[in-house]
Amino acid sequence: SQTIHQWPATLVQPVGSPLSLECTVEGTSNPNLYWYRQAAGRGLQLLFYSVGIGQISSEVPQNLSASRPQDRQFILSSKKLLLSDSGFYLCAWSSTLPGGPEAFFGQGTRLTVV
Amino acid sequence: AQSVAQPEDQVNVAEGNPLTVKCTYSVSGNPYLFWYVQYPNRGLQFLLKYITGDNLVKGSYGFEAEFNKSQTSFHLKKPSALVSDSALYFCAVRANSGGYQKVTFGTGTKLQVIP
Repeated sequence: SQTIHQWPATLVQPVGSPLSLECTVEGTSNPNLYWYRQAAGRGLQLLFYSVGIGQISSEVPQNLSASRPQDRQFILSSKKLLLSDSGFYLCAWSSTLPGGPEAFFGQGTRLTVV
Repeated sequence: AQSVAQPEDQVNVAEGNPLTVKCTYSVSGNPYLFWYVQYPNRGLQFLLKYITGDNLVKGSYGFEAEFNKSQTSFHLKKPSALVSDSALYFCAVRANSGGYQKVTFGTGTKLQVIP
């Protein structure tokens, strides 16, 4: 069966420091991968999605970037964090096979920028 | 552009009573529709999906949802609510048109089941 791992679960970082959040998927090949941010415990904002290695699409301009160095690895990064980057970050994957359009989410990372 | 509306910020229901969480959508073409549940400080858990076929879809934990094309709705239902069902529920839509399509989420509905 497929599983998705996201770490760390919580992170407190000072303003101006770098960020690296990692997400890996097991048990599937060539998944679609996503990074979402959830603010104030409610709405989900799609930040990045990837349909293959090295293929990253950004949904909104921001202080963050994403990379997909391997098929099942998706990394969210920042060179210098801002206070406004605080939030709950969720990684997700979906299958590219027909009949499997639903996304499956990791457990999330609570990022607090201080 | 596709969109999802969850008109209720919060739904309160007594334990044992039936519950409904509302969702309406707008999309070009035939929709893929989803419901997810989120517990505090956790990721979203997939509950059920509609792709095609029977308008009544059954999912995890006794939940079901009814697809209504004429009303563009996909309401989540459960015959008898449990206190443990208290959580945040998200409806989502994806266009069924081949290739990559963005999934759009609603703003979420907080379900409170009162003992």
